Amino acid sequence: KAGVTQTPRYLIKTRGQQVTLSCSPISGHRSVSWYQQTPGQGLQFLFEYFSETQRNKGNFPGRFSGRQFSNSRSEMNVSTLELGDSALYLCASSPGGDRGRRETQYFGPGTRLLVL
Amino acid sequence: AQSVTQLDSQVPVFEEAPVELRCNYSSSVSVYLFWYVQYPNQGLQLLLKYLSGSTLVKGINGFEAEFNKSQTSFHLRKPSVHISDTAEYFCAVRGAYKTSYDKVIFGPGTSLSVIP
Repeated sequence: KAGVTQTPRYLIKTRGQQVTLSCSPISGHRSVSWYQQTPGQGLQFLFEYFSETQRNKGNFPGRFSGRQFSNSRSEMNVSTLELGDSALYLCASSPGGDRGRRETQYFGPGTRLLVL
Repeated sequence: AQSVTQLDSQVPVFEEAPVELRCNYSSSVSVYLFWYVQYPNQGLQLLLKYLSGSTLVKGINGFEAEFNKSQTSFHLRKPSVHISDTAEYFCAVRGAYKTSYDKVIFGPGTSLSVIP
């Protein structure tokens, strides 16, 4: 099975712009989670989607949003970019559903976003 | 609220020596516990997880961890490290299903450096 894929792998934007990142989960996985990784704040949970519904979200401003499509692919969007949004954005997928199927997450390689 | 503490930010160890990476957590609900490894410029890979049952959990690459509820700890151990174990290690917790705690909280990470 192919692993989790994220596109693009690298991205450079300027302040005020918006960006959309894409994540394709492992085939058959219905749950997708997004994380932000920075040297200062470490790994922080952004949101989780299961069957097109947002299941939970972290403590990020409304500029960060996401969605999941019927084929389980997910996108996250950041509007009005700030310098502090520079980070590695990681996507993880899991089979989803009940306990035991949700907890094992498989991570993609990440999208590295640089905001100038 | 939930939090994870990894007391050692950096751990240098000689090749073939044993290693222990410490993790303590705080939570007002029962949790699931995880250890992940991140190699340079890659996403995270699950080493092992504790959901329930035996408190000694064995994972990949010869790692194991022991859940200690009274000490709220989940330390990671390996009896003999290899150069290839050099990486960043993250401890994580996840709270009960279908609650606001049902999201992954990561510790700050421990950088393991194996010295030849």
